Amino acid sequence: GDSVTQTEGQVALSEEDFLTIHCNYSASGYPALFWYVQYPGEGPQFLFRASRDKEKGSSRGFEATYDKGTTSFHLRKASVQESDSAVYYCALSDTNAYKVIFGKGTHLHVLP
Amino acid sequence: DMKVTQMPRYLIKRMGENVLLECGQDMSHETMYWYRQDPGLGLQLIYISYDVDSNSEGDIPKGYRVSRKKREHFSLILDSAKTNQTSVYFCASSPGQNSDYTFGSGTRLLVI
Repeated sequence: GDSVTQTEGQVALSEEDFLTIHCNYSASGYPALFWYVQYPGEGPQFLFRASRDKEKGSSRGFEATYDKGTTSFHLRKASVQESDSAVYYCALSDTNAYKVIFGKGTHLHVLP
Repeated sequence: DMKVTQMPRYLIKRMGENVLLECGQDMSHETMYWYRQDPGLGLQLIYISYDVDSNSEGDIPKGYRVSRKKREHFSLILDSAKTNQTSVYFCASSPGQNSDYTFGSGTRLLVI
């Protein structure tokens, strides 16, 4: 079945560092790909999506490019801030299309 | 204001008691979801509702049931709660296929 793999469970950075969180997927066809962010005590929030190969999604300084060749949708940000500390989830819409499959999440800690 | 509202935010129940978690949305979204979130396991799908009285099991439906009698309202019911159902429960809604989700703030359930 369809799946999403986030290789980093935790990432620790200092402010102004460059961020990469890796996301790889396994699915047939062209699933829509998503990033969500969850701050402590809140539910996940939609960050952005991409629906076709080479499409770039972006929001709040974060970006990711849909790469069907490497089945990846890595999250990047040029300069992180302490306020970016949160859990980030990569997700895809499965063949059912109503159901979104989430990765296990990556906890980002940004130190001041 | 487009949002998903969950009640209550915190709940403590004794093992064997019945539990009702309620969720409402004001966006007229057709599809609604219940997830639970546990450390290390990420978000696990319990049930999907495609519309009123049109519900489908997710990945971990055992021990849960749902009710959707109005489009804007979706309930999760635990008949005879168990300690392993201690978790954070999130409700979400989406307008349709391949769409992003709007999550509520969660209900933190402790079963003792």
